[in-house]
Order: sequence, then structure tokens, then C-alpha cells
Amino acid sequence: KNQVEQSPQSLIILEGKNCTLQCNYTVSPFSNLRWYKQDTGRGPVSLTIMTFSENTKSNGRYTATLDADTKQSSLHITASQLSDSASYICVVTTRNSGNTPLVFGKGTRLSVIA
Amino acid sequence: NAGVTQTPKFQVLKTGQSMTLQCAQDMNHEYMSWYRQDPGMGLRLIHYSVGAGITDQGEVPNGYNVSRSTTEDFPLRLLSAAPSQTSVYFCASSRQRSYGYTFGSGTRLTVV
Repeated sequence: KNQVEQSPQSLIILEGKNCTLQCNYTVSPFSNLRWYKQDTGRGPVSLTIMTFSENTKSNGRYTATLDADTKQSSLHITASQLSDSASYICVVTTRNSGNTPLVFGKGTRLSVIA
Repeated sequence: NAGVTQTPKFQVLKTGQSMTLQCAQDMNHEYMSWYRQDPGMGLRLIHYSVGAGITDQGEVPNGYNVSRSTTEDFPLRLLSAAPSQTSVYFCASSRQRSYGYTFGSGTRLTVV
């Protein structure tokens, strides 16, 4: 069964600190992996997309990594800000033709405190 | 630059009532979809459309209907609301099914 597991479920860090969120997946065949940021009361917004051949991709203070061999991805946030408080969702896209090509993780809830 | 617009933002229904959640996009995206988001669960696909006149079921379609008469609009209908349909609903659009999605800001629905 295609699954995406994220850890930790929730995380509290001090402003200015770094943190890393994890995503493990069993989705096959793999097409791409995205990280979304979802602010409270808003829809998810894409941060990064990574294909099979990409190991690292950055978007400002966000850096995503992908290890296609171990089927793991991480999202590293540098010098966190209060505005980084949100849920971060890992989404893996399959290449199959079924009606659910996207497999969503349950998200990691990040709280950045002053 | 509206993107994906959902209305209403909040709604309270009584059990058995019907209603339509509206979704409109101005990006000329062919693919549109509806998700529900419940606490402790990932987003789950309700229905989707790959173009005007074409719709199909996702993983949790029961109790919901959709139609796609234009490229821009993709309304979601609750035929007879049940408390189990209390959730936050998101509409999303994309150029193609496996491309990046643009999400609306959501509709928080409570069925009492």
C-alpha cells in the first residue's frame, strides 16, 4: 500500500534555531515529492518539488533532500522565524494511472516560539 | 491573481440539509479536485476532474456529487449532510494531475 509517514507529529523550537522534518514513503512507482506549507486556516502552498534524480533543493531558508534509494526525504529549516509556524506536509506523486496519484502525509505541526 | 477561490469559508448545516461548496480557478487549469482534511489524517481525495465535462471518484466519494460544466468551476454538492461530513474542504487545481497543485483557502463545514 502506498503510504507517506512524517515525523515528528509536532515540534516546538525557539526562534532562530534550525530544525529538520522527516518524510518516509513507500509509494511506487515514484514520480516526484513535494513539501507543502499549510498555515492555520489556509490551504497548502508548495515549497519544493523533487524528482527522482534530485538530491537537494533549496527555497530560501528551506532545504529539502531526497534519498530515492532509502525512500526518505527531509525538510531543513534554517534560522527559524515566527512565521514558519505551520503544518508541513510531504506529498508523493505516483506515475500510475489510478485516481489517487498523490499520497499525502499527515503533516508535522511546527511551532516557533520567541 | 485570484488563483483558486472557495466559498463559503464557513458553513453550519443541520443533518439532512443539502448545500453546494463553490470552487473557481482563473489559471485555465484542466485538472481540479476536492479534498477533505480531518484532524490526524492526511488530505483525502473526494472527486476530481481532468477537464470540462469529465469527473471521477476519489477515495472518499460517498455522499458527494460534482459536475464540471466549465473549465473554471468545480462545485461540490452535499446531497444530505451527515455529521461524518464535518471537515475542512479544499479545492485544488493543476495543469495536469501529477503537476503542482494550487489550493484554495478552504471551507470549514460543521454538520450538527
